[in-house]
Amino acid sequence: AQSVTQLGSHVSVSEGALVLLRCNYSSSVPPYLFWYVQYPNQGLQLLLKYTSAATLVKGINGFEAEFKKSETSFHLTKPSAHMSDAAEYFCAVSPYNTDKLIFGTGTRLQVFP
Amino acid sequence: DAGVIQSPRHEVTEMGQEVTLRCKPISGHNSLFWYRQTMMRGLELLIYFNNNVPIDDSGMPEDRFSAKMPNASFSTLKIQPSEPRDSAVYFCASSKRGNYGYTFGSGTRLTVV
Repeated sequence: AQSVTQLGSHVSVSEGALVLLRCNYSSSVPPYLFWYVQYPNQGLQLLLKYTSAATLVKGINGFEAEFKKSETSFHLTKPSAHMSDAAEYFCAVSPYNTDKLIFGTGTRLQVFP
Repeated sequence: DAGVIQSPRHEVTEMGQEVTLRCKPISGHNSLFWYRQTMMRGLELLIYFNNNVPIDDSGMPEDRFSAKMPNASFSTLKIQPSEPRDSAVYFCASSKRGNYGYTFGSGTRLTVV
């Protein structure tokens, strides 16, 4: 079954530092992969998605992710963290030939001044 | 665009009572998803509909849970009878089929005492 694993339930960075949130997928066929962000007491918001086009995907708020088949990874990065980036981030995979999304366990990002 | 609208935002009920959660998807979206979020289990897909038809309800915990989508603009998730372990945030999301970019509602926080 297709799934995603997010390494690190909590990540802390200083404002201005690089943000790196890790996600590895398990899939026997090329997957569709996603990153979502959840701010406190809100629903999830789509940051970016990979659907077999360019391997480097740019999203909103300066985030991007690179699909690496050889590493089965889809890590999320941002060159310079802002205080407003503090939130929970979820990686997700869409199993082949379905419309549903299977979410990872989430990574809480803290940004310190 | 008002987004996905869920009601109520908060619900506190006594064990054994019936609870009905409501969702209005974005106009033009033909896929609708119900998720449950808890600290212990993360985000779980309960059920999803395509064109008002239930496609996958394998995530529905037990017979106490039921979901309907009588038309393209309305869905309900019902729990009868409710139990304390049903306490969670319930999210509704919608998308255009094949788009994979879900739009989430703000969720209903359910507390069963």
